[in-house]
Amino acid sequence: GQQVQQSPASLVLQEGENAELQCNFSTSLNSMQWFYQRPGGSLVSLFYNPSGTKHSGRLTSTTVIKERRSSLHISSSQTTDSGTYLCALASSNTNKVVFGTGTRLQVLP
Amino acid sequence: EAAVTQSPRNKVAVTGGKVTLSCNQTNNHNNMYWYRQDTGHGLRLIHYSYGAGSTEKGDIPDGYKASRPSQENFSLILELATPSQTSVYFCASGTGYNNQAPLFGEGTRLSVL
Repeated sequence: GQQVQQSPASLVLQEGENAELQCNFSTSLNSMQWFYQRPGGSLVSLFYNPSGTKHSGRLTSTTVIKERRSSLHISSSQTTDSGTYLCALASSNTNKVVFGTGTRLQVLP
Repeated sequence: EAAVTQSPRNKVAVTGGKVTLSCNQTNNHNNMYWYRQDTGHGLRLIHYSYGAGSTEKGDIPDGYKASRPSQENFSLILELATPSQTSVYFCASGTGYNNQAPLFGEGTRLSVL
């Protein structure tokens, strides 16, 4: 089955609202990453976060290995945050990286 | 500046034709990866490489070959392209994900007619 599950699949916010994106995984973890994909398609790495909590501006990533989940919190959303957010994990058993199917975020003005 | 460059950025091919997608990295990374992205599937790993001369099968290797002639270059080859291979392809390079985020190229949009 799918090793990495993301939720929600899509999300619509009004500008200024907060968002919580979830990533759940079913395999042992070596690393966890969050990416932002622009509407044009290119991928930007947001966080490399195998465990614990990391902050970057309005973004916070928290990975809890024991619970096999990682979250991405976006505070005070802006229209420029619109796009697709992908989580990806590298398994402890292999050198391969598995992606979730993404959360498509739309922030309305 | 670290970079992963894909070429071409857009490609239209005919069914049964041969297609080669190229990827070049200037990061001196050992590992390189080819993914395809389709609606409803996210990014799926096709082939990857641990270094020059090595290629490994990913999760969906059928219909694709890969070539890593040097540290910098990693190609994805479709010997007999099919319409089901219409997709967006991403190349990435990395050190193995243990201590550094991988870098992705801008993507190649391939249409097989």
